[in-house]
Amino acid sequence: QQPVQSPQAVILREGEDAVINCSSSKALYSVHWYRQKHGEAPVFLMILLKGGEQKGHEKISASFNEKKQQSSLYLTASQLSYSGTYFCGTGSPNFGNEKLTFGTGTRLTIIP
Amino acid sequence: EPEVTQTPSHQVTQMGQEVILRCVPISNHLYFYWYRQILGQKVEFLVSFYNNEISEKSEIFDDQFSVERPDGSNFTLKIRSTKLEDSAMYFCASRKQANRLDTQYFGPGTRLTVL
Repeated sequence: QQPVQSPQAVILREGEDAVINCSSSKALYSVHWYRQKHGEAPVFLMILLKGGEQKGHEKISASFNEKKQQSSLYLTASQLSYSGTYFCGTGSPNFGNEKLTFGTGTRLTIIP
Repeated sequence: EPEVTQTPSHQVTQMGQEVILRCVPISNHLYFYWYRQILGQKVEFLVSFYNNEISEKSEIFDDQFSVERPDGSNFTLKIRSTKLEDSAMYFCASRKQANRLDTQYFGPGTRLTVL
């Protein structure tokens, strides 16, 4: 089952902060965050693992709540370049060759 | 920085025709994937491939689909007899190894239009 993202869409002014949530009905092992601009490939932002390990871009932060089966992506002091659709992808216990199951996305629009 | 590349960027075909979508994963990556995205919808997993065989496939990946790594660099997705509902953006992705913090890197996609 696909993870559920909220909100579905958000409009911010440049410099404002945003939080995007990703909730799973199943146990979380890993969460992968991507940003996709219109007509382009998803670009990796962050990976978070059960147990606390994470890797990602400096200006991006995220949390992983194993108990709530939820991850949140935090975008602070947003820039125009942050506009796009954000997807969370949840991985399986099989780290060796896991597929990603993506949420429906959160469309973020930053206005000057 | 190495990238996943895909060709063609756009493919238009008639219903019932065969298409082959091509991908060149990042050179030292070992795990390969195909995903698709119908316009305006989420990205959906199709198939994963490792060590020259399919590791996992989704319900979408039926007998009309096949994948191949014909040489050391290319990774292809073939659709034998295309249907209208196959129209979508197809993304190839690759992953270096089974390191827990390795993620999948996506190519720019091939937009398939079936008429």
